[in-house]
Amino acid sequence: ETGVTQSPTHLIKTRGQQVTLRCSSQSGHNTVSWYQQALGQGPQFIFQYYREEENGRGNFPPRFSGLQFPNYSSELNVNALELDDSALYLCASSSGLAPETQYFGPGTRLLVL
Amino acid sequence: QKEVEQDPGPLSVPEGAIVSLNCTYSNSAFQYFMWYRQYSRKGPELLMYTYSSGNKEDGRFTAQVDKSSKYISLFIRDSQPSDSATYLCAMSQGLIQGAQKLVFGQGTRLTINP
Repeated sequence: ETGVTQSPTHLIKTRGQQVTLRCSSQSGHNTVSWYQQALGQGPQFIFQYYREEENGRGNFPPRFSGLQFPNYSSELNVNALELDDSALYLCASSSGLAPETQYFGPGTRLLVL
Repeated sequence: QKEVEQDPGPLSVPEGAIVSLNCTYSNSAFQYFMWYRQYSRKGPELLMYTYSSGNKEDGRFTAQVDKSSKYISLFIRDSQPSDSATYLCAMSQGLIQGAQKLVFGQGTRLTINP
């Protein structure tokens, strides 16, 4: 069974730039959620995709957007990067919508200068 | 006020000790309660899951949920140096407008000293 993978592992951007983060969900999983984890904080829910449709969003501005592909992999796009966007971005996949079955990837660490 | 409060620690205990980690919450609609373990530079790993109130035991780990007090706990018995990590509590109302959203505490950084 293949786990959740994310790429890249880390990257550095400058303020105002755009970034795309990628996630491959665990085999058999059709739901992907994205979370932002600032240093020393717990993860915060950005949004969730189920069968290629966004079906829920947290308190994040529209410059955070995403996609889910037919193979259930997913992208997180962030436009007009701000310094506060520096964080660990986590992707979690699950089979269906049961809350307890979210499996997290290792994350992408983004630094905005 | 945050929906979920968790003492960030750090917490340092000797090997073999019993560890108690706790979270309080304000949203009475939470029905699902999870504990995740996160090693440095890794993603969270699901340790325990409880639905509604009650206790759940898995090996050295015991999770307790007291919905009347809005308080959850994780106990680790016979703690090992390999248990050193950040422990995150997480909660969910279930499906809200079609999505399952986990709400996390800040995380408690735990060190087990040999």
